[in-house]
Amino acid sequence: DAGVIQSPRHEVTEMGQEVTLRCKPISGHNSLFWYRQTMMRGLELLIYFNNNVPIDDSGMPEDRFSAKMPNASFSTLKIQPSEPRDSAVYFCASSLTSTVGTEAFFGQGTRLTVV
Amino acid sequence: DQQVKQNSPSLSVQEGRISILNCDYTNSMFDYFLWYKKYPAEGPTFLISISSIKDKNEDGRFTVFLNKSAKHLSLHIVPSQPGDSAVYFCAASRILYNNDMRFGAGTRLTVKP
Repeated sequence: DAGVIQSPRHEVTEMGQEVTLRCKPISGHNSLFWYRQTMMRGLELLIYFNNNVPIDDSGMPEDRFSAKMPNASFSTLKIQPSEPRDSAVYFCASSLTSTVGTEAFFGQGTRLTVV
Repeated sequence: DQQVKQNSPSLSVQEGRISILNCDYTNSMFDYFLWYKKYPAEGPTFLISISSIKDKNEDGRFTVFLNKSAKHLSLHIVPSQPGDSAVYFCAASRILYNNDMRFGAGTRLTVKP
């Protein structure tokens, strides 16, 4: 298995532009998570899906952020309009729900720079 | 609101000695705890976990201890090796909530030869 695949690996965009980050989870996994890594807060949970349904989006910082999971093999995180303070590394992770606890597997991340 | 806290941003130890990384959490609903390791330009990778029904879990050089009454867990690495140098993230989750993991800010471990 190729693991969790994120694209692009790096994104540089100008303030005000729309940015779309993409994620392909591990086949068979039914939970998908979007995290943002910052120096101050570490890995912040932005939103997570279970069986393609958003369960908790309380971590999404503003209405400028939106996420979708149209099917079990694809998810997007969109920022519109983007701002310099959105610059961070964004990680996608997936897991298989378990009744005894399980780990999530992370992609390599997308480094977003908004200038 | 940080539900998981790692108060030491960095730790430096000598090769062969013990590394102890600490983590505190605030939500008593957490029932599954994990440690992840992260190298630069890579995603975090799972290291070891522990269920709330246990107080210790060991895997080779890595041991995680859980103190539920204190809402505290720690990761012990013995003996430490230079290849262990990385950022370590503590995470806590709720099994009934699809294991929604909340992470701490991370501790950068440096193991000196």
